[in-house]
Amino acid sequence: NAGVTQTPKFQVLKTGQSMTLQCAQDMNHEYMSWYRQDPGMGLRLIHYSVGAGITDQGEVPNGYNVSRSTTEDFPLRLLSAAPSQTSVYFCASSYSAGRRNGYTFGSGTRLTVV
Amino acid sequence: SQQGEEDPQALSIQEGENATMNCSYKTSINNLQWYRQNSGRGLVHLILIRSNEREKHSGRLRVTLDTSKKSSSLLITASRAADTASYFCALMYSGGGADGLTFGKGTHLIIQP
Repeated sequence: NAGVTQTPKFQVLKTGQSMTLQCAQDMNHEYMSWYRQDPGMGLRLIHYSVGAGITDQGEVPNGYNVSRSTTEDFPLRLLSAAPSQTSVYFCASSYSAGRRNGYTFGSGTRLTVV
Repeated sequence: SQQGEEDPQALSIQEGENATMNCSYKTSINNLQWYRQNSGRGLVHLILIRSNEREKHSGRLRVTLDTSKKSSSLLITASRAADTASYFCALMYSGGGADGLTFGKGTHLIIQP
């Protein structure tokens, strides 16, 4: 199994540009989430989804949109990139949102906004 | 939700020594999990310990949980260079909603050869 696949691995954007970070999992996990990781800040939850058609905001949702049309895919959209969104982004999935099992993480997307 | 706090923030030991890192938290939990992150990679799940458990083992890893002190420790025995990584505790709070786990800021472990 591939697990959680994130694309692209690296991206440079100009301020104001938009883009979509892709995340796909092949484990039939209902729960998926997006985190950003910044030095000294740990992982902060951006958005999450408990199943197809259901999404909700996490700790730092501003500037990001998500959708969940299928169980497998959970893309993250940056609407108008800002330098403050320079970060490493991780997608994670789980059977039970962490209640009974751990998360499976993707390898991350390193985003730089100039 | 409040983060767990790992201690120390950084730890450097010699290969073969044991490494211990701690996680403290403030509210009741359903479970606590430990993850490893190698440089430039995603996090990898190591161990999940439930609130009614006191100790769990996995290979060279031992995790303890003291709910009365609201703290957990991760012990890595006979450390190897490949154990160099950041280690995170993650909390599933009691009555937690669908937003899942809350991660701490991590302990950066360096194993000197």
